Amino acid sequence: NAGVTQTPKFQVLKTGQSMTLQCAQDMNHEYMSWYRQDPGMGLRLIHYSVGAGITDQGEVPNGYNVSRSTTEDFPLRLLSAAPSQTSVYFCASSYSWGLNNEQYFGPGTRLTVT
Amino acid sequence: TQLLEQSPQFLSIQEGENLTVYCNSSSVFSSLQWYRQEPGEGPVLLVTVVTGGEVKKLKRLTFQFGDARKDSSLHITAAQPGDTGLYLCAGFDMDSSYKLIFGSGTRLLVRP
Repeated sequence: NAGVTQTPKFQVLKTGQSMTLQCAQDMNHEYMSWYRQDPGMGLRLIHYSVGAGITDQGEVPNGYNVSRSTTEDFPLRLLSAAPSQTSVYFCASSYSWGLNNEQYFGPGTRLTVT
Repeated sequence: TQLLEQSPQFLSIQEGENLTVYCNSSSVFSSLQWYRQEPGEGPVLLVTVVTGGEVKKLKRLTFQFGDARKDSSLHITAAQPGDTGLYLCAGFDMDSSYKLIFGSGTRLLVRP
């Protein structure tokens, strides 16, 4: 199993550009989520999904869109990139949600917006 | 939204020393998890604590969940350079069990 994969690993965007960060998992996990990690702030939840066709907002959803058309894929779209979106983005998945569920994280995408 | 505060934010110690990292909240959590993250990688789960007062051991790492389920600690005995990394606590929001909330992390450096 590849686990959770993310592409690209690095990306530089200009302000106003749009792009999609890809995330895929091959563990048949129902729950998937996107986090951003900034220095001194841990991981903050952007969006999450409890199954195909179901998504919801996390703590910091503004400027990001998600969709979940299949169990395996959970792409994150930046609509119009801003310097404040410079961060490291992690995708995670788990068998289910709530008590005792282990989150499996991808290797991250380092995004810089100039 | 519930908050998790970790202390200290940064810790630099000599190999062989002991240390404790704290994760505190004013809210009750149904469970807390501890993750370790190494540079350039995603976090990896170390342990989940569920019951108030629970103590779990993972080799030289001891995890404790507070009796009131509002706090947790991670104690490392005889730290080694391989313990270097970012330690994160996390818990599911009681208002929405779908949202996993992370603390800001403790960055540990163990010098040889």
